Amino acid sequence: EADIYQTPRYLVIGTGKKITLECSQTMGHDKMYWYQQDPGMELHLIHYSYGVNSTEKGDLSSESTVSRIRTEHFPLTLESARPSHTSQYLCASSDRPENYGYTFGSGTRLTVV
Amino acid sequence: AQTVTQSQPEMSVQEAETVTLSCTYDTSESNYYLFWYKQPPSRQMILVIRQEAYKQQNATENRFSVNFQKAAKSFSLKISDSQLGDTAMYFCAFTPGFYNTDKLIFGTGTRLQV
Repeated sequence: EADIYQTPRYLVIGTGKKITLECSQTMGHDKMYWYQQDPGMELHLIHYSYGVNSTEKGDLSSESTVSRIRTEHFPLTLESARPSHTSQYLCASSDRPENYGYTFGSGTRLTVV
Repeated sequence: AQTVTQSQPEMSVQEAETVTLSCTYDTSESNYYLFWYKQPPSRQMILVIRQEAYKQQNATENRFSVNFQKAAKSFSLKISDSQLGDTAMYFCAFTPGFYNTDKLIFGTGTRLQV
């Protein structure tokens, strides 16, 4: 079954640690996105990619970085986690946004202590 | 700037009743696409319904329908025969243009409690 997977689902980590949030999709979508969402709040686009070796920063400034060396994989990395990074991170992908919108993953809820 | 406004942060409805969630947007484009997404508590966000701005007919998906008023830039979602499973955050979104479809613009969401 085609879908988009995010791991871990929940993560509690100490300040200063390096973390990578994983996102993989099996649909062959070229476009992938990372959104940051505080609980019950709006979505903020922080990174997006239109294909392999293509990455762009989104509308919300973020200290995270992303890479896209395979179509199906779009990981997000924080080199040094801080409490201000505590949030939910949603990954999404799309082939034809105008027809199908985005397909979202289940999200990673990150808590930095 | 292109924006989406959802003026109702929270709403509640009794089971089997009908509720309407409002959404207005701002764009200078004449054609674009609009969406409603549902985000259940601790679950994946899913697409509820989609509307093409160049179509006057309102989209319908089972118990979900929209009232699209292009001139007023309004795109409300009506949920009929509300069920407990409809409890969720609902986000309105649209594409910046007919050909500029790579990034969706989202509203701030409405929390619906059934």
